[in-house]
Amino acid sequence: AAGVIQSPRHLIKEKRETATLKCYPIPRHDTVYWYQQGPGQDPQFLISFYEKMQSDKGSIPDRFSAQQFSDYHSELNMSSLELGDSALYFCASSLGLAAETQYFGPGTRLLVL
Amino acid sequence: AQTVTQSQPEMSVQEAETVTLSCTYDTSESDYYLFWYKQPPSRQMILVIRQEAYKQQNATENRFSVNFQKAAKSFSLKISDSQLGDAAMYFCAYRSAYGGATNKLIFGTGTLLAVQP
Repeated sequence: AAGVIQSPRHLIKEKRETATLKCYPIPRHDTVYWYQQGPGQDPQFLISFYEKMQSDKGSIPDRFSAQQFSDYHSELNMSSLELGDSALYFCASSLGLAAETQYFGPGTRLLVL
Repeated sequence: AQTVTQSQPEMSVQEAETVTLSCTYDTSESDYYLFWYKQPPSRQMILVIRQEAYKQQNATENRFSVNFQKAAKSFSLKISDSQLGDAAMYFCAYRSAYGGATNKLIFGTGTLLAVQP
């Protein structure tokens, strides 16, 4: 079965640079979630989208923005990168907001130097 | 706000033995979902088992089962016949069942499980 696809899988950036992370949900899934997992920490919710509209917002810095496109893929744009942004970024998808289960992608490992 | 607590940072079990990981949560909601996710060294998040709060029967998935105590707000994971491949970080997670906008997963801090051969 098709799973959530994230690209790139690894990314190295310098401080103050910009990064764009992409997420392709499971086919027919219309809801996307972004989570950030710092080293040795649990995943923290950043933001979610349903039918191309933002549905919920967590502890996402103002330097980050995200959107969901008409084909339901989502992009997380991160500007003015800081060392503390180094983390594993997960995307998850579900079929509808009320869906019981969110299916996680493999994550994008971002390293900011 | 809902919180999830895992009080065991690390656990160890002998291969073929049984181990129980603890999780407690706090919520004022009456309907919600609880999950256990496994994160091996690859760091992929793998769903192990899920439980709906309104279902009294404890969920089971092969060697994995839960002990869900709604009144006590406790949700422990039992792994039977432990295998080397079970070694991983295990996260307990909560999600509101009310749909709408608030459907994010709230995670505990995790329990690192080691399996000894």
